[in-house]
This record gives sequence, C-alpha cells and structure tokens, in this order.
Amino acid sequence: GAVVSQHPSWVICKSGTSVKIECRSLDFQATTMFWYRQFPKQSLMLMATSNEGSKATYEQGVEKDKFLINHASLTLSTLTVTSAHPEDSSFYICSATDTVRGADVLTFGAGSRLTVL
Amino acid sequence: GENVEQHPSTLSVQEGDSAVIKCTYSDSASNYFPWYKQELGKGPQLIIDIRSNVGEKKDQRIAVTLNKTAKHFSLHITETQPEASAGYFCAASLSNYQLIWGAGTKLIIKP
Repeated sequence: GAVVSQHPSWVICKSGTSVKIECRSLDFQATTMFWYRQFPKQSLMLMATSNEGSKATYEQGVEKDKFLINHASLTLSTLTVTSAHPEDSSFYICSATDTVRGADVLTFGAGSRLTVL
Repeated sequence: GENVEQHPSTLSVQEGDSAVIKCTYSDSASNYFPWYKQELGKGPQLIIDIRSNVGEKKDQRIAVTLNKTAKHFSLHITETQPEASAGYFCAASLSNYQLIWGAGTKLIIKP
C-alpha cells in the first residue's frame, strides 16, 4: 500500500532557529499533501494544503511566513518552521492523498515531534 | 461548514468485550467517512472507511455503520485485544477531499 515517510521523527532546537521537516511519498505520486499540527490529547488541526508546483493554501490563523511549505515535486513536500519559539513545540504530521485507493483517502506520515527550547 | 462530534472521549473496556465509538456530522452532503487509529507518538493509520452509498462495512473484527438519515456513523470493535488500545479519530469529508475531524477517543483495553 501507499507509504508516506516523514523526517525527522523528532527534533530539538533552540529558540530562534529554523527547522525543516520533510514528507515523502515513497511508492506513489502525491499531487496534494496536507500538513497537520497536533497538541497532546487533541485532534489533528489542518495547517495547510500543499499542491505540487503551486503555493500552499493555509488555514485561517496559520501564519504562512512562519510555516513555509514547499511542494517542489510529486513525491516531496517540506514544512519549515521559521524562527521557532517554544509555543511552536508540537507534533507535526503530513499526509498525502492516495490516488490508488481514492483521492479522498489519506495516508499519514509517522509525524515529527518538535521541541523548541 | 461541516462539524463532526465524537463520543466518548475516553472508553475503557475489558479485554474480549466490544467497543463502540460514535460520531455525528452536520452536513448531509458529506459522503466519505474514515476511521483512523493513532498509537502514541505515531501518525494516524486508516483502519476502515465507508462511503455514503453503503450502510455497513466489516473488516474482520472491525465494522463501521452509517445512518445517513440521522447523520451519524459508528466504529465497532469486537473481541478487543490489548493492542487495540490507542486513539481513534473519525472524520467526514465532502467531494473537495478535505477531512473534518472528530475530537478523538482514547480506547483503553483492560487485561
């Protein structure tokens, strides 16, 4: 089945630095990828929809200059948290539409836990 | 817009018993209803889904039922095993493919 690889699985950084998270579809082409943020014991919050070759669509309240999303190829999307601060600490998860099973079927990566000191 | 409510937030059942998690949605045009299982520190995994043209779907000890009139759908897990302990999330989507998520249920299987 479809596999989405996310890297790194966890990262610790100092306040003010930038962190890049990669999301790759390993065995299928993902024209659309989604980036979620999840706080402890809460549901997934959609941050943005990433379309290959075009600008990402951000959800209301998500700062596009803070969370830079690039989807340069059909198999790779990246999320860069710029000038990270402790309040950006969270679990970030990407997903991609699995066009084999259906354009609305999402396959998720394993997530990236970001801790900002 | 669409709104999905999920209950209960926590469910504790004895190993071997059944577990039922329920979700209601607000937009009658929603046509796709997946259920995801999320283990601690991992990404969600699709365990079963159902589309609006069917009322029930089974996969071994997991089943999902959909009542379009009442706008609710449920996840049923029979003969629960310890490895079923996890977070479970329901979602609903329209044809634009954006999922609206429930708040999640923490399922605890007691040995």
